[in-house]
Amino acid sequence: GDSVTQMEGPVTLSEEAFLTINCTYTATGYPSLFWYVQYPGEGLQLLLKATKADDKGSNKGFEATYRKETTSFHLEKGSVQVSDSAVYFCALTEMKTSYDKVIFGPGTSLSVIP
Amino acid sequence: NAGVMQNPRHLVRRRGQEARLRCSPVKGHSHVYWYRQLPEEGLKFMVYLQKENIIDESGMPKERFSAEFPKEGPSILRIQQVVRGDSAAYFCASADSSGNTIYFGEGSWLTVV
Repeated sequence: GDSVTQMEGPVTLSEEAFLTINCTYTATGYPSLFWYVQYPGEGLQLLLKATKADDKGSNKGFEATYRKETTSFHLEKGSVQVSDSAVYFCALTEMKTSYDKVIFGPGTSLSVIP
Repeated sequence: NAGVMQNPRHLVRRRGQEARLRCSPVKGHSHVYWYRQLPEEGLKFMVYLQKENIIDESGMPKERFSAEFPKEGPSILRIQQVVRGDSAAYFCASADSSGNTIYFGEGSWLTVV
């Protein structure tokens, strides 16, 4: 089946540093790709998404580009803040015949220190 | 707030008791998913339901776990005779018939003591 691989964490950065969290996927079809964020003790929030090749999703200073040739969807932010500390999940929709199923990566924990 | 509503948000059960988690999908959505997040792990698909039907339960443990999505009312994830290993966050998600966007609830945290 389809799957998602993320760089292992935890990742610790200083405030205002550049962030990259790598994400690659395997899929038989043509999935949509997502980044979700989970702040400590909270639920999942959709951060951004892209539905076709070369699409760039962006939100709150985060960006990710759907790269079909490298099957990647790396998350980037130019200058992180302490409030960005959270767990980030890369995900895709595995398309079944009549419905989509979201497949998640294992998550990458990010800690931003002042 | 017309989003996916889950309750209870936090539930404590003793070993051997039953846990019932409820999920009210976005109004008008007829597709519901349940995911489980074990401590320090990612989210794993459990089951996908449409109104009154289980479509895909490939991620459900074979015993003690069941799910339903009746014609009226919320979807229910039921765990019988809970064990410590059932302690996790359980997330519900819903989608409309197009399935283009799947919305997640804020989760229910089950602790088994």
